[in-house]
Amino acid sequence: GIQVEQSPPDLILQEGANSTLRCNFSDSVNNLQWFHQNPWGQLINLFYIPSGTKQNGRLSATTVATERYSLLYISSSQTTDSGVYFCAVGAPGGATNKLIFGTGTLLAVQP
Amino acid sequence: DAGVIQSPRHEVTEMGQEVTLRCKPISGHNSLFWYRQTMMRGLELLIYFNNNVPIDDSGMPEDRFSAKMPNASFSTLKIQPSEPRDSAVYFCASSVSGGIDYGYTFGSGTRLTVV
Repeated sequence: GIQVEQSPPDLILQEGANSTLRCNFSDSVNNLQWFHQNPWGQLINLFYIPSGTKQNGRLSATTVATERYSLLYISSSQTTDSGVYFCAVGAPGGATNKLIFGTGTLLAVQP
Repeated sequence: DAGVIQSPRHEVTEMGQEVTLRCKPISGHNSLFWYRQTMMRGLELLIYFNNNVPIDDSGMPEDRFSAKMPNASFSTLKIQPSEPRDSAVYFCASSVSGGIDYGYTFGSGTRLTVV
C-alpha cells in the first residue's frame, strides 16, 4: 500500500518562529489532508489539498502531486499551535476518500 | 452543526466484557470512518461505510470487532470479548463522498481502557 512519511518527527520552536513540515508519499494520490491533533487529543482538519496551494491565516499548504510531497507552513507560531500534525493521503483505485495517515510531526511551541 | 458526536468519551471495562462505541456523523455526510489510535501503531483505519454500506473492513483486527451502520445518522463499533490490547482511542470521522471537498471531520474520540 501507499507509504506516508512525515518530517521532522518532532520540532521545538520559540513563539513567533516559522516552520515547514513535510509529507512525502510513495504513490499518486487523489486526496491529501493535513490535520492538527491538539494536546487534548482533538483532531482538526486544516486543509484538503490534493494539489496546489491554500492559505488559512498563519497556515498555508502546498502539494506538488507530480513530485509526491506536500508542505505545511506555520508562520509566527503560537503556543496554541503545539500538538501533532498529521498528513493523510488517499490513493486512486480505492475509494476516493479513504485516508492513510502518516506518523505525524510533534510540534512544541515555547513561550 | 454539532459536529461528529461520539459516546462515551471514556470507557473502562474488564477483560472479556462487551464494549460498544457509538457515533453520530454530521448530517448530510455519506461516508463514515472508524479509526483507532495507539502510540505503537498510530492512526489505523478499521472500517469505513459509504451510504451506510461497509466498503472496506480490512483494517478490523479480528473477529472480535464488528461495526454496523443501520442508518445515515448512527454507527456502532463493538468489541466482544474485549482484551487489554484493545486499549486505545477510537475515533469516528465523517465526510462527503463525491463532492468537491472530501475533508474529514473527526469526533472527539472514545478512550477505551481494558483492564
